[in-house]
Amino acid sequence: DADVTQTPRNRITKTGKRIMLECSQTKGHDRMYWYRQDPGLGLRLIYYSFDVKDINKGEISDGYSVSRQAQAKFSLSLESAIPNQTALYFCATSGRSTGELFFGEGSRLTVL
Amino acid sequence: DQQVKQNSPSLSVQEGRISILNCDYTNSMFDYFLWYKKYPAEGPTFLISISSIKDKNEDGRFTVFLNKSAKHLSLHIVPSQPGDSAVYFCAASGLGAGSYQLTFGKGTKLSVIP
Repeated sequence: DADVTQTPRNRITKTGKRIMLECSQTKGHDRMYWYRQDPGLGLRLIYYSFDVKDINKGEISDGYSVSRQAQAKFSLSLESAIPNQTALYFCATSGRSTGELFFGEGSRLTVL
Repeated sequence: DQQVKQNSPSLSVQEGRISILNCDYTNSMFDYFLWYKKYPAEGPTFLISISSIKDKNEDGRFTVFLNKSAKHLSLHIVPSQPGDSAVYFCAASGLGAGSYQLTFGKGTKLSVIP
């Protein structure tokens, strides 16, 4: 089983719908992240969390919200999806002493 | 404004030859650099890193070189193998190895031709 699991892996939705992407990890890491990948733009940070009570905005947080339900769970929500949020979304975790990120397999979201 | 630049979107190399992937950065506060490899339908995986106190780090077939004065780093893969075909992302942080925030380049797609 993967150390970082994302659900759903693929989702097609319509403009204005609420969408939640979920992430769970078994690595025991405190830090969790949500990144977005667009073709030709690399990976951009949406939100990050150092622990259950610590959540921070990243580079492109507008239009997104997150919830850290437990140390192992970090979900990303799009309250009202729009087409330019069509992208590949990655959850990642890291330990405290290293910048190495461990990524999930990604959730491909298409907003029509 | 891109702080981490990978100016070559793609690179093709013959199997057995050297692959050299380049990365430039503009933020002089960056002091820790990483390379990630990404296969289709998978998440990126960590490959190798280097701290700014070093100019070279080697791990098997992979070597990363850092030229701080030029704000340039490169990843060398020798010898290249077909299984190395993937997208490679360069990443940088300004808070050392424990940084929580990485800035990624756009990636370079490497194709190793058998």
